[in-house]
Amino acid sequence: RKEVEQDPGPFNVPEGATVAFNCTYSNSASQSFFWYRQDCRKEPKLLMSVYSSGNEDGRFTAQLNRASQYISLLIRDSKLSDSATYLCVVNTGISNFGNEKLTFGTGTRLTIIP
Amino acid sequence: DVKVTQSSRYLVKRTGEKVFLECVQDMDHENMFWYRQDPGLGLRLIYFSYDVKMKEKGDIPEGYSVSREKKERFSLILESASTNQTSMYLCASRLERLTYNEQFFGPGTRLTVL
Repeated sequence: RKEVEQDPGPFNVPEGATVAFNCTYSNSASQSFFWYRQDCRKEPKLLMSVYSSGNEDGRFTAQLNRASQYISLLIRDSKLSDSATYLCVVNTGISNFGNEKLTFGTGTRLTIIP
Repeated sequence: DVKVTQSSRYLVKRTGEKVFLECVQDMDHENMFWYRQDPGLGLRLIYFSYDVKMKEKGDIPEGYSVSREKKERFSLILESASTNQTSMYLCASRLERLTYNEQFFGPGTRLTVL
């Protein structure tokens, strides 16, 4: 099983719709979770961290389900500018030198259609 | 604003050449990273530096080495480039080793090895 797994999509969604995608992780001890956004031919940028209680930032809501080991991202009232690849990021262990290890998912591609 | 810069956006090299990829950050971050990004495989960590002259292997260090002589600069070295090292290379920096700190990425270097 992959450490971090995402549905690659593509998700093609009409403007104004609500879209949600999940990311599953294999290490039950993982403590830190993030969503990054990557525009075409650009570098990834942090969209939001995911907190245990769930968190919201405008039209974006992130949820964590520890029992089933997944995180989710919900986008409401989608805009054309939301078209991007969304990367799930999870800390997946501790290295030999005591550094936390982050693992990136392969990303979910989202296209918002006018 | 944090800025992470990479020496080249596009690079074409021949098999067997020694290749240097340079990364500079201007926010006094302790941690710096080198990733490669390939379609269907996502971002994979090559090497990580948690302080000057300190480095740690990531998931795919074979064929690569790194150097961090100054805090702001982290270099990735391909000792003898091979065609399977054709990829997008992304550098990132983070304030310190706690994972809830955001990683800031550079614009990437697309390396082609012929």
